[in-house]
Amino acid sequence: AQSVTQLGSHVSVSEGALVLLRCNYSSSVPPYLFWYVQYPNQGLQLLLKYTSAATLVKGINGFEAEFKKSETSFHLTKPSAHMSDAAEYFCAVSGANAGNMLTFGGGTRLMVKP
Amino acid sequence: EPEVTQTPSHQVTQMGQEVILRCVPISNHLYFYWYRQILGQKVEFLVSFYNNEISEKSEIFDDQFSVERPDGSNFTLKIRSTKLEDSAMYFCASRVGLVSEQYFGPGTRLTVT
Repeated sequence: AQSVTQLGSHVSVSEGALVLLRCNYSSSVPPYLFWYVQYPNQGLQLLLKYTSAATLVKGINGFEAEFKKSETSFHLTKPSAHMSDAAEYFCAVSGANAGNMLTFGGGTRLMVKP
Repeated sequence: EPEVTQTPSHQVTQMGQEVILRCVPISNHLYFYWYRQILGQKVEFLVSFYNNEISEKSEIFDDQFSVERPDGSNFTLKIRSTKLEDSAMYFCASRVGLVSEQYFGPGTRLTVT
């Protein structure tokens, strides 16, 4: 069974500040990990993914995430927040089975203050 | 850039009615999925579909739900007799291979009254 925990349902940062969104996972198989972003009234857009290659993964819009197996974590970071980063962020895990469905965390709403 | 499309964007139906939500996955993708997101809650997996059959389904996906790929392009989710608790945003997703990322459509907001 797989599960994802995102610590902090709401995170507020000032524009230009570091963004850190936390994700911890549980998986009985080597995981594939993803971060998706959802802007208001829109679908889910892939930010980045980890599929057992480099542990530091760079994504779109300046985001990156680091896979730490020992901590079962895949935290999302961005050095400097922009107003346009305000959205809901979802961490997700999947395995390499036939169904390969995504198991999502509860989401973190990022607010960026001017 | 190819994208997953879904129709309608919003569907309002009365309890007990049948609804069909439609999706057009990206053309060369082989794996198809439905997820739902009840307002304010996490995105939940419903069903995965590959090679014209269901490969996995969640506990949510009971006998009231069915999926079909009626032709080479559409992927549909049918709810036979809708309940109030079926009100949610339904997302379709597709992927080209087993370890590639899933691409999501914009969703269909289903409101059951």
